[in-house]
Amino acid sequence: DVKVTQSSRYLVKRTGEKVFLECVQDMDHENMFWYRQDPGLGLRLIYFSYDVKMKEKGDIPEGYSVSREKKERFSLILESASTNQTSMYLCASVQTSSYEQYFGPGTRLTVT
Amino acid sequence: GQQVMQIPQYQHVQEGEDFTTYCNSSTTLSNIQWYKQRPGGHPVFLIQLVKSGEVKKQKRLTFQFGEAKKNSSLHITATQTTDVGTYFCADLIYNQGGKLIFGQGTELSVKP
Repeated sequence: DVKVTQSSRYLVKRTGEKVFLECVQDMDHENMFWYRQDPGLGLRLIYFSYDVKMKEKGDIPEGYSVSREKKERFSLILESASTNQTSMYLCASVQTSSYEQYFGPGTRLTVT
Repeated sequence: GQQVMQIPQYQHVQEGEDFTTYCNSSTTLSNIQWYKQRPGGHPVFLIQLVKSGEVKKQKRLTFQFGEAKKNSSLHITATQTTDVGTYFCADLIYNQGGKLIFGQGTELSVKP
């Protein structure tokens, strides 16, 4: 069964802290994505990755960076967390035969 | 940038009533995908529409792709409480690794 896992379901951090959100998939997918979800705005793409060490900016990359050292793992980094980064963060990987995206359970991040 | 508009944002129905959500774009959509997110859950792939004018059914759910590939709709016949959740449409961008441009989503609540 397909599985995408994220390191935490809930996270509370202070303004200015460096935050790491990790995502792991077990499907050998090449392409992985990070989104944030906010009420009324849907899902907005932060970064995506085609393959190991490859990354592309999405629609809202400011304040974020990513790391893809291994195929199965895609990390989202908030260099200096701010309160406007309080959100639900969703990771996904895509099966390129169908382009169906498989989502992780999400991490609800609160920055105080 | 490209935008996908989805309406309505919220829909409250009595169990047994029908429900429709609409997805529109000012530019031609590539392929449309639909996802469902249950309360507290993560988006789950429902279906992908590829061809102009395409209609697909999944039990009580009917998905349509407009003739000009600028709009799509999801119609649920005789809603049930299990239909509760947020429904998202998304435009698939093939040449960017399967990137999705999501609509804002329609949150459906069903009163028993």
